[in-house]
Amino acid sequence: EAGVTQFPSHSVIEKGQTVTLRCDPISGHDNLYWYRRVMGKEIKFLLHFVKESKQDESGMPNNRFLAERTGGTYSTLKVQPAELEDSGVYFCASSQYPTGDFYNSPLHFGNGTRLTVT
Amino acid sequence: AQKVTQAQTEISVVEKEDVTLDCVYETRDTTYYLFWYKQPPSGELVFLIRRNSFDEQNEISGRYSWNFQKSTSSFNFTITASQVVDSAVYFCALSGGSGTYKYIFGTGTRLKVLA
Repeated sequence: EAGVTQFPSHSVIEKGQTVTLRCDPISGHDNLYWYRRVMGKEIKFLLHFVKESKQDESGMPNNRFLAERTGGTYSTLKVQPAELEDSGVYFCASSQYPTGDFYNSPLHFGNGTRLTVT
Repeated sequence: AQKVTQAQTEISVVEKEDVTLDCVYETRDTTYYLFWYKQPPSGELVFLIRRNSFDEQNEISGRYSWNFQKSTSSFNFTITASQVVDSAVYFCALSGGSGTYKYIFGTGTRLKVLA
């Protein structure tokens, strides 16, 4: 089966510009997560979708970040306007069951999008 | 609060040496899950192992082994007879068992295996 796909793999933008990241989860996976790793630090949770609904968006840094998952398939994460501190690697992950579920299915991650804001 | 600590930022070993990556966690949940992921140079995060809090059995998979000790809140990962292909960043992660769907990751340990 195809894995989690993220696009673009790399994006360089100037401060104040807008960037949209896309994630295509594994087919059939209702749960979709966004994470971010700032250089050298831990990978931090941003938000969790169950189908098209936001289950938990407590990790979103501020209102410059907007995530959507129309139709419960692919998801987009828009940063507008981008700031220097938004630089990092944005990971998308999906799973068949929520990670807190009894089965605790592991997350399947994409390759990430490396965002550089200059 | 939940927390994962990977105190080793970077480790370098010579091929065929054994190496242990440390992971210490904090949680108040009685049910929780621990994970290890590998991030090779290509960038993706590759799932290695999942362990739940009720299963303290150590696990071995080929050259990989994991030592889970609740008494010390540790979930260490050992690679035996390391190979150059093991060079990667390794992340330990924790998730709660009661409605907490987030993974809490450590900062990662970069392992360099030299030929």
